[in-house]
Amino acid sequence: AQSVTQLGSHVSVSEGALVLLRCNYSSSVPPYLFWYVQYPNQGLQLLLKYTTGATLVKGINGFEAEFKKSETSFHLTKPSAHMSDAAEYFCAVGAGTYKYIFGTGTRLKVLA
Amino acid sequence: EAGVTQFPSHSVIEKGQTVTLRCDPISGHDNLYWYRRVMGKEIKFLLHFVKESKQDESGMPNNRFLAERTGGTYSTLKVQPAELEDSGVYFCASSQEMAWGSNYGYTFGSGTRLTVV
Repeated sequence: AQSVTQLGSHVSVSEGALVLLRCNYSSSVPPYLFWYVQYPNQGLQLLLKYTTGATLVKGINGFEAEFKKSETSFHLTKPSAHMSDAAEYFCAVGAGTYKYIFGTGTRLKVLA
Repeated sequence: EAGVTQFPSHSVIEKGQTVTLRCDPISGHDNLYWYRRVMGKEIKFLLHFVKESKQDESGMPNNRFLAERTGGTYSTLKVQPAELEDSGVYFCASSQEMAWGSNYGYTFGSGTRLTVV
């Protein structure tokens, strides 16, 4: 069975500081991994995904994530936080019949 | 291109009542999905339609939930009778293909927030 664990339901960073949102997964098959973001009153928006190939994946809005098989991790980072990054972030693994298994989400707060 | 549309955006109903949620997928998307997020928990898969057929309904919590997709266009999710634990945000999504490596991934709607009191 596949599962996703997001460490930290709430993360606060100062504007301009590094953003690091943690995600660990469990999968018996090579995983497809995703990060989604939800801004207030909006739907889930795909930030980036890892399917095969390069383990460092770049996404929209300056975010990137690195697939580390040995650590079963797919942490999301951004070098410099912006106020507009305040949102809830979801890590997900793609499961067999083309459905997602999501983590519980991490709400990012950016302090001025 | 219009996105995935869900309505209502909010619904407050009393325990025991019936509520119907609607999802209009992106035109031409054969695949339609329902997910639910109960407060503070993860977003969980409910079911997947391919056109009008249920491909996977393994996530439907019980027989109080009925999903339909007549004609392979819009979908409805009916909860009857509603219970307190049904409260949450119900997301709909659609996709053109079923392939994780595809450039045509899921598009999610903004959700329906259901509150059962």
